[in-house]
Amino acid sequence: DAGVTQSPTHLIKTRGQQVTLRCSPKSGHDTVSWYQQALGQGPQFIFQYYEEEERQRGNFPDRFSGHQFPNYSSELNVNALLLGDSALYLCASSLRSQGASIQYFGAGTRLSVL
Amino acid sequence: DAKTTQPTSMDCAEGRAANLPCNHSTISGNEYVYWYRQIHSQGPQYIIHGLKNNETNEMASLIITEDRKSSTLILPHATLRDTAVYYCIVRGGSSNTGKLIFGQGTTLQVKP
Repeated sequence: DAGVTQSPTHLIKTRGQQVTLRCSPKSGHDTVSWYQQALGQGPQFIFQYYEEEERQRGNFPDRFSGHQFPNYSSELNVNALLLGDSALYLCASSLRSQGASIQYFGAGTRLSVL
Repeated sequence: DAKTTQPTSMDCAEGRAANLPCNHSTISGNEYVYWYRQIHSQGPQYIIHGLKNNETNEMASLIITEDRKSSTLILPHATLRDTAVYYCIVRGGSSNTGKLIFGQGTTLQVKP
């Protein structure tokens, strides 16, 4: 059973460009969350998708957008890249439940903006 | 802001038990305590979670105090591969399925 998979693993872009990161959730999961982790910091929540809609959003500008597909996979798009967008981008999947809902993380996409 | 407080760093000798504390004095009755760890440049790895009772799995044990204001993650026989940043996170209630709020975590260094 594959876990959460993210692609690509590494990416180099220049300022002003746009980037798309992809995430396939763990089998059986219906919710995808995205996090940004700057060097030396803990992950920061970007947004969460469930039933193809954005359900919760962190303190990130509109340049960050996403999408969830019917098969539960998800994309993170970042427009007009800034140097400060350089970070590890993490995708986590989970199954909505009344009790504890465990998020399982992928290995991340390392984005470098030059 | 994170709802938890953890020591910045800890050392542990290889083969000994590592006990990582976490304070969550404002925890609500329906909030869970989750523990994750992150080995350098990898995605966070889920370790264990609990609500009221102590929990144990193949990776670790979680001891939650009776008043639920603090907890301890125990790695019974630490190895060098357990060197990582350990995050204690509280979440539940209306935010049960929502975002995880990561603090700075505890950097555990396991030494030979």
